[in-house]
Amino acid sequence: SQQGEEDPQALSIQEGENATMNCSYKTSINNLQWYRQNSGRGLVHLILIRSNEREKHSGRLRVTLDTSKKSSSLLITASRAADTASYFCATDGQGAQKLVFGQGTRLTINP
Amino acid sequence: NAGVTQTPKFQVLKTGQSMTLQCAQDMNHEYMSWYRQDPGMGLRLIHYSVGAGITDQGEVPNGYNVSRSTTEDFPLRLLSAAPSQTSVYFCASSYSIGGARDEKLFFGSGTQLSVL
Repeated sequence: SQQGEEDPQALSIQEGENATMNCSYKTSINNLQWYRQNSGRGLVHLILIRSNEREKHSGRLRVTLDTSKKSSSLLITASRAADTASYFCATDGQGAQKLVFGQGTRLTINP
Repeated sequence: NAGVTQTPKFQVLKTGQSMTLQCAQDMNHEYMSWYRQDPGMGLRLIHYSVGAGITDQGEVPNGYNVSRSTTEDFPLRLLSAAPSQTSVYFCASSYSIGGARDEKLFFGSGTQLSVL
């Protein structure tokens, strides 16, 4: 069963624009994480936000968490071609040892 | 520091064959796990381990075995390969899970498996 559902499934924008991806989940969590996957590669951790946090920043990344709506968003500002990748949210709602990943958002940055 | 190393990168099997996917990490991580990634399905947890000698099932464990005899290694065994096991397999590790430390996962580069 999928705990996290990303929206949209695919997103195509121009270089320099901002990209926003959303993640919804079903059960209570302790933390939510975002990962990036370049084509043909493993996932790379981007950012972790805990349930008692509402917003977190890391470079050009901004993550928000709304536990009342069971949703999170990932904002990438001033996008670059190198940001082209799939982005996944992961939640620990089924236990800390069982991170559950969503289906991902495929982001394409057009030059 | 190699991180998480998976071998092989590609493998083709015939239905009914068995094989072992290797995973090793050199970061002294206690937690290790195996995921499979299928198109449109995201990643699904197969098995995980919280330390040497301790393993447990994830969401899709059927057809797979694991063991954890050392902290560094966490092999995944396919007992009798089936076409439904065609997928990309990822091994991941973490410092700790469920504690106060950063729980982010470090992933290997994956094994693409085709079962004919």
